Amino acid sequence: EIVLTQSPGTLSLSPGERATLSCRASQSVSSSYLAWYQQKPGQAPRLLIYGASSRATGIPDRFSGSGSGTDFTLTISRLEPEDFAMYYCQQYGSSPPLTFGGGTKVEIK
Amino acid sequence: EVQLVQSGAEVKKPGESLKISCKGSGYSFTSYWIGWVRQMPGKGLEWMGIIYPGDSDTRYSPSFQGQVTISADKSISTAYLQWSSLKASDTAMYYCARGGYGGNTRKWFDPWGQGTLVTVSP
Repeated sequence: EIVLTQSPGTLSLSPGERATLSCRASQSVSSSYLAWYQQKPGQAPRLLIYGASSRATGIPDRFSGSGSGTDFTLTISRLEPEDFAMYYCQQYGSSPPLTFGGGTKVEIK
Repeated sequence: EVQLVQSGAEVKKPGESLKISCKGSGYSFTSYWIGWVRQMPGKGLEWMGIIYPGDSDTRYSPSFQGQVTISADKSISTAYLQWSSLKASDTAMYYCARGGYGGNTRKWFDPWGQGTLVTVSP
């Protein structure tokens, strides 16, 4: 089972700043099969990025994903008020279980 | 529009059984895997398992194997998550989500249901 470690646990930033979130895998993620989700309080998770770098339908271009192998990054170029939330990565390159990372909280500084 | 609609919140006592549901619409329900994800209070997402409604092929996370049962009724486009004997530690929000097409289990989840809150308390 692939273990995903997200860092930092909490990111305190101001609107307009750049956010860089990390997701590190315990072994190489096949074919960059890595997704990112956003979850706001009281809501279900929402897909942001799949295939490590492809934006899901309707996701603003301030969200971008990069990386391969064991190291992946989600970048939010300029934080909007609605971007303050929890973010989770998930690998789907192995046979089930398709594991999630522990999450990064992006909070207002 | 692809939608997954889950059943409502449940309050149960330890030892009781429970079955929650997830109804799909707007797509071919039998052609896509459906997954279940647990989120305990204040905690992260945990991948529980997936089912292919077309033939009920099911895969579980080792952490949940034997603890829950995932099933589906393709005639009514509904997937289920059930417990035979609930514990207080089963208290959590449970989400269903659509996964891969056909034989492809290696896919992200999109979209997600709204979640079902299960509370287990004496």
